[in-house]
Amino acid sequence: DQQVKQNSPSLSVQEGRISILNCDYTNSMFDYFLWYKKYPAEGPTFLISISSIKDKNEDGRFTVFLNKSAKHLSLHIVPSQPGDSAVYFCAARVSGGYNKLIFGAGTRLAVHP
Amino acid sequence: DAGVIQSPRHEVTEMGQEVTLRCKPISGHDYLFWYRQTMMRGLELLIYFNNNVPIDDSGMPEDRFSAKMPNASFSTLKIQPSEPRDSAVYFCASSLVGTTSPKETQYFGPGTRLLVL
Repeated sequence: DQQVKQNSPSLSVQEGRISILNCDYTNSMFDYFLWYKKYPAEGPTFLISISSIKDKNEDGRFTVFLNKSAKHLSLHIVPSQPGDSAVYFCAARVSGGYNKLIFGAGTRLAVHP
Repeated sequence: DAGVIQSPRHEVTEMGQEVTLRCKPISGHDYLFWYRQTMMRGLELLIYFNNNVPIDDSGMPEDRFSAKMPNASFSTLKIQPSEPRDSAVYFCASSLVGTTSPKETQYFGPGTRLLVL
């Protein structure tokens, strides 16, 4: 029973265009949603997050949108750069859960020239 | 700060052998997490500790898996006996208690790539 789902295993985008990565969740008790980025042979690193009481958070080229009614969030990268090519994990933090995170399966983003 | 340290980085073993993975969390962090990454299931939480005490081990796949944290600076994940389906990348992560900032949520080590033949 996956509580956090990333239904697209891969995404290919041209450099300079927008990349949109999607994530769905089923548990209403999540208080924060996070995106982690992972390069090959490295551990995931934190990218951006959003509180469950907000609907948008922006950090430079990265924006995360949260639609609570649809239990859906998305990560927008504008403009996409070749260095953005990585696996992106969506994660949700369990409210009161000792910083416990539930991760999705990940989406591999390839940004090509 | 050296970050979360894991060893070994790569491990190749034969089915039935015991495997021990090691982790040194970031100094001062109170939480330690063990994850397994596979193509099919992504990042799965196996177990996590708070102040060296196991809090939730519901993700541990079966009795062949065990984890310990004898002190604040060291943890092990042991698989005995190992099976080919245990082949995966195992990550250790640590975080700081008492913060509400999700930026401090978890810092990951580089992972141990395990191959069981």
